[in-house]
Amino acid sequence: QVQLQESGPGLVKPSGTLSLTCAVSGGSISSSNWWSWVRQPPGKGLEWIGEIYHSGSTNYNPSLKSRVTISVDKSKNQFSLKLSSVTAADTAVYYCARLEIMITFGGGEEDYYYYMDVWGKGTTVTVSS
Amino acid sequence: SSELTQDPAVSVALGQTVRITCQGDSLRSYYASWYQQKPGQAPVLVIYGKNNRPSGIPDRFSGSSSGNTASLTITGAQAEDEADYYCNSRDSSGNHPFGGGTKLTVL
Repeated sequence: QVQLQESGPGLVKPSGTLSLTCAVSGGSISSSNWWSWVRQPPGKGLEWIGEIYHSGSTNYNPSLKSRVTISVDKSKNQFSLKLSSVTAADTAVYYCARLEIMITFGGGEEDYYYYMDVWGKGTTVTVSS
Repeated sequence: SSELTQDPAVSVALGQTVRITCQGDSLRSYYASWYQQKPGQAPVLVIYGKNNRPSGIPDRFSGSSSGNTASLTITGAQAEDEADYYCNSRDSSGNHPFGGGTKLTVL
């Protein structure tokens, strides 16, 4: 059973870079999954940050793209998030999640299902001087 | 557009049926997935695809889709279903935006 665990500094200074790592256990990061980062500011909703495939291919939220880098380390079975030029608005609980893609066939049609089925417990990052 | 829209809050009497909706252009092409989040906890997947429940999710949870609207239905809502619910979907650019979330109150 795959488990995810976020880690990283809980406090980052304004204008600095937020760096988090998500360790994957119970499975391989080189499986046919994408690996995602999601955040949730205090009292607000979920925001998708971006995702990475083990090949290194990435997709980023357009609103964060200029500041976000997601990378993968297959040797350590983990992936990471870097968010630069942070402000107080980046204060949030940061989650990592596994994105599963399922293809089903029926009635001559192909359907793609995308869903995040495994989540880490989340880690709180506060941006403050 | 990659935006998904949800009603901010919905209430249901204990044991009754409630539908939570999610609207967005991307839902015409991709199925939504639905997540339940209780205070201080990570989100939990409750519905994905056409109408699929992960192992351990009660069968009172179901999903449906029509046009640009996806729905999560809870038939016979229980006190423990009180939570925030979020929809998510892929868009044509390969992004996975979330809806704004719906706070469900069980009366």
